[in-house]
Amino acid sequence: GNSVTQMEGPVTLSEEAFLTINCTYTATGYPSLFWYVQYPGEGLQLLLKATKADDKGSNKGFEATYRKETTSFHLEKGSVQVSDSAVYFCALSSGNEKLTFGTGTRLTIIP
Amino acid sequence: GAGVSQSPSNKVTEKGKDVELRCDPISGHTALYWYRQSLGQGLEFLIYFQGNSAPDKSGLPSDRFSAERTGGSVSTLTIQRTQQEDSAVYLCASSSTKLNEQFFGPGTRLTVL
Repeated sequence: GNSVTQMEGPVTLSEEAFLTINCTYTATGYPSLFWYVQYPGEGLQLLLKATKADDKGSNKGFEATYRKETTSFHLEKGSVQVSDSAVYFCALSSGNEKLTFGTGTRLTIIP
Repeated sequence: GAGVSQSPSNKVTEKGKDVELRCDPISGHTALYWYRQSLGQGLEFLIYFQGNSAPDKSGLPSDRFSAERTGGSVSTLTIQRTQQEDSAVYLCASSSTKLNEQFFGPGTRLTVL
């Protein structure tokens, strides 16, 4: 079956630091890959997605590249801000079907 | 409405009681999903609807859990004889067939005393 393995948290960084949150997956076929974000007190929001190998998803300064050869979709940002503090979830889906989520990584940015 | 809505936002119930949770998807979205978010288990899939039928119920944890969807729109998740381990945030999401993206509601926080 499908599974997602995500970097354990919590992660604490200083403002303007470089961020990487690792995500690897196991899936049959060619899944779509997603990063969702949950800000404090808010619901899950899609941050970015990629639907095929070598696609790069990007949004709000965050990027992730669909790497089929390493079955990875690592999330990166060059310079984090306090407002990026949230829980980040890596996820995948095959077709228009259920999302399989990683365990989530709590990110805290210190001014 | 503009997004997925869920009600109630919070529900506190006593062990053994039945509860109903409601989801209103984005208008026109044919697919609807229920997930559960709990501290020990993370985000778990429960059930998926395409129109009014449920081709994937594999995530329902026991026969105390059931869900229906009527008119291809509103869905209700029912938990019978609630147990303390049912305490969680229940999330609903919807998507269209054209966009491979699920939009989530704010969730219902269920507390079973």
